[in-house]
Amino acid sequence: DTAVSQTPKYLVTQMGNDKSIKCEQNLGHDTMYWYKQDSKKFLKIMFSYNNKELIINETVPNRFSPKSPDKAHLNLHINSLELGDSAVYFCASSQWDRGTDTQYFGPGTRLTVL
Amino acid sequence: EDQVTQSPEALRLQEGESSSLNCSYTVSGLRGLFWYRQDPGKGPEFLFTLYSAGEEKEKERLKATLTKKESFLHITAPKPEDSATYLCAVQEGGNEKLTFGTGTRLTIIP
Repeated sequence: DTAVSQTPKYLVTQMGNDKSIKCEQNLGHDTMYWYKQDSKKFLKIMFSYNNKELIINETVPNRFSPKSPDKAHLNLHINSLELGDSAVYFCASSQWDRGTDTQYFGPGTRLTVL
Repeated sequence: EDQVTQSPEALRLQEGESSSLNCSYTVSGLRGLFWYRQDPGKGPEFLFTLYSAGEEKEKERLKATLTKKESFLHITAPKPEDSATYLCAVQEGGNEKLTFGTGTRLTIIP
């Protein structure tokens, strides 16, 4: 039983296209996150949603728009893709109010923009 | 702004050769310090959370310790399957986000 899943695992697309990445968690958590891992393996927070409400929005171009249809899902839509968007995108989830708010990560989506 | 520095960047050990990885941090009010393991092509896998200076946690050949300025991940008698990138992250009080270091790539040679 996969705890945090993402689709697709690989995404190759042309510059200027619009694409979406989907994330689902079956842990019953109330908070979900998107992180970006660059070519140097540095992992940086992009967004966080708690109970479908945006609570963290780091300095990310507004071409990136997260959407949370319910507590178990957090999708990332990217408009007008640029070469610099190539990276691995990780979804994570946690339960904020349990005291041990460990974040559990998905397997990642490797985005390549040509 | 929270800062996390991990050293060394890469470490090669012979099987059975014990060593330590370092994570130095600067944060206003630490809520928790997290250690993750990341294998190539996979997502970070949770190992430990430490909440206060002096705390220690162990799991198999790994032991994590915490002071007010740094954390160490001690690996005792490592095996080749311990090869991975080890990531350290801090969480500031009242803020859900994790601030990660750049990781230590550990290679255990049989």
